[in-house]
Amino acid sequence: DIQLTQSPSFLSASVGDRVTITCRASQGISSYLAWYQQKPGKAPKLLISAASTLQSGVPSRFSGSGSGTEFTLTISSLQPEDFATYYCEKLNGYPLTFGGGTKVEIK
Amino acid sequence: EVQLVESGGGLVKPGGSLRLSCAASGFTFSTYSMNWVRQAPGKGLEWVSSLSSDSNYIFYTDSVKGRFTISRDNAKNSLYLQMNSLRAEDTATYYCARSTYSNSYLFEYWGQGTLVTVSS
Repeated sequence: DIQLTQSPSFLSASVGDRVTITCRASQGISSYLAWYQQKPGKAPKLLISAASTLQSGVPSRFSGSGSGTEFTLTISSLQPEDFATYYCEKLNGYPLTFGGGTKVEIK
Repeated sequence: EVQLVESGGGLVKPGGSLRLSCAASGFTFSTYSMNWVRQAPGKGLEWVSSLSSDSNYIFYTDSVKGRFTISRDNAKNSLYLQMNSLRAEDTATYYCARSTYSNSYLFEYWGQGTLVTVSS
């Protein structure tokens, strides 16, 4: 089965910072990757599909890129409401797999 | 407005059974694939099971095969997860999630989750 490895697992950043999270797949998955945001005590929220397609209503400061085995989620200017845990998910078939998560905390 | 409301969680002893339900509203339930995703306390997300709109395609993660059964009742706009032979490692918040219309692997809408605790 294909594994997803996110890095870092934790990062501390300030409001206004540019933040980049990486998700690496153990095998190539083309652009079949999604990103989710989860805030404490809440359900995850879909941010990006197909590696780079922003979901409706998601702020443009979020962007995704990559293909094959390496993907990135970038927040261009971190806002207070962006402090959360972010997960990647592969979309190229079952079993579905999530990365281990990246927790973004306030510095 | 799409709403997914899970119920049925609780405390159960190892080896016991539990049936989770997910009541859906705000969309045409019968046309979407549905899923269960779980999250152990303080841990990451884990896909559990998926079911196509017509119930013809069913998928499970390996750790629950033979113990969990996903089903749906399109007339009642409801999704279910029958969980048998429960283990301590099944302790988690279980989320019901709706796929997108065009991609059954994407989780577009999520419920608030229901907590299952397996402990003696």
